[in-house]
Amino acid sequence: EVQLVESGGGLVQPGGSLRLSCAASGFTFSHYAFHWVRQAPGKGLEYVSAINTNGGGTYYGKSVKGRFTISRDNSKNTVYLQMGSLRTEDMAVYYCARGFPLPNGGVDYWGRGTLVTVSS
Amino acid sequence: SYELTQPPSVSVSPGQTARITCSGDALPKKYAYWYQQKSGQAPVLVIYEDSKRPSGIPERISGSSSGTMATLTISGAQVEDEADYYCYSTDTSDYSWVFGGGTRLAVL
Repeated sequence: EVQLVESGGGLVQPGGSLRLSCAASGFTFSHYAFHWVRQAPGKGLEYVSAINTNGGGTYYGKSVKGRFTISRDNSKNTVYLQMGSLRTEDMAVYYCARGFPLPNGGVDYWGRGTLVTVSS
Repeated sequence: SYELTQPPSVSVSPGQTARITCSGDALPKKYAYWYQQKSGQAPVLVIYEDSKRPSGIPERISGSSSGTMATLTISGAQVEDEADYYCYSTDTSDYSWVFGGGTRLAVL
């Protein structure tokens, strides 16, 4: 059974940093790309970032480029999202999702998400 | 920046056919993916690569694409189909994904 479990969310002050993790199981992790997607309270889904199978290709949405960094550890079956210079508008539930082949595949399985709250 | 446009809401009676559209200039060249999100839950893939249905998704849910518009069709809609639906695709430059704004389907 495919499982994706996000962790690392919480309360952070504006300007602060946070690292999210996504632990995967139930499939061959190194064969898949991954996306991070977020959803602000009461709003729609927003693409955040994607990474290819070996971590050599990383991609970002315009609103987070230069502030967030996606990475992966294929030995630990884990994807990460390092978030910096956080703003109140970054407050959202962050989902990790398994990707179809790049360069333009979507995603199939999703985790349950982790909530990031940005507030002073 | 690239946008995918969806109607904010669609309403049908039980048993009717619901059609949700997604419009984008790159759709003639790029696949559309569709997700169903029920209140308080994570999204679920219901259609991939324009028209393919993952295992476990009811046959009444189908997808198509023509020109700059992708369409999600729910034939014989049921109350359990009430949810928000999102399309997802990339622009022509690749590696740049975007979601549609989402469509709330009401079956009542």
